[in-house]
Amino acid sequence: QVQLVQSGAEVKKPGSSVKVSCKASRGTINNYAISWVRQAPGQGLEWMGGIIPIFGTPKYAQKFQGRVTLTADKSTNTAYMELTSLRSDDTAIYYCARDRYGGNPPNAFDIWGQGTMVNVSS
Amino acid sequence: SYVLTQPPSVSVAPRQTARITCGGNNIGSKSVHWYQQKPGQAPVLVVYDNSDRPSGIPERFSGSNSGNTATLTISRVEAGDEADYYCQVWDTTSDPPYVFGAGTTVTVL
Repeated sequence: QVQLVQSGAEVKKPGSSVKVSCKASRGTINNYAISWVRQAPGQGLEWMGGIIPIFGTPKYAQKFQGRVTLTADKSTNTAYMELTSLRSDDTAIYYCARDRYGGNPPNAFDIWGQGTMVNVSS
Repeated sequence: SYVLTQPPSVSVAPRQTARITCGGNNIGSKSVHWYQQKPGQAPVLVVYDNSDRPSGIPERFSGSNSGNTATLTISRVEAGDEADYYCQVWDTTSDPPYVFGAGTTVTVL
């Protein structure tokens, strides 16, 4: 069973950027449709974007368009999510998650990373 | 955007049945997935494609979907089932296209 292992917690200043990694323990990251989902304290799950095969290029939620960039490094089997111009309301746990059908068609998320806490505070 | 509506909370006695609804416009035409999230943990997929269970998920968890309502049913509820539950669909016309409900907290009395 593949595991997704994320990087550790981050503390950031408003206006700065954060880059969170998500490493697959086996298989090839490029063969997985990896999405990023965040959860603010006490709140629900919010899809930010994903590398979804049917779209060809990374797909982003409109809310995060222009501030988030998703990439994947085949050589290290790692996916990355970079969020810029951080605000206090970006304080959340960020999860990477794998689509069980490889995103073709898009389906459920069967494997999740352990989550990365990002705290944005002055 | 497509909206999924869940009740904020459901309370159930041990060994009874909990039913968590997820409402959406013609949701019966979509595949609905359900996640369980316990405090401090990542979500876990418990039902996919309306009624299928991943390996390792007890048969006590079942799902159905018809019309404008999908339902996750937990039979013979145990204390360990206390958690937040989220429904999710894919809607190609929505932004974001992966849509989550707001979540339902299940409390075992």
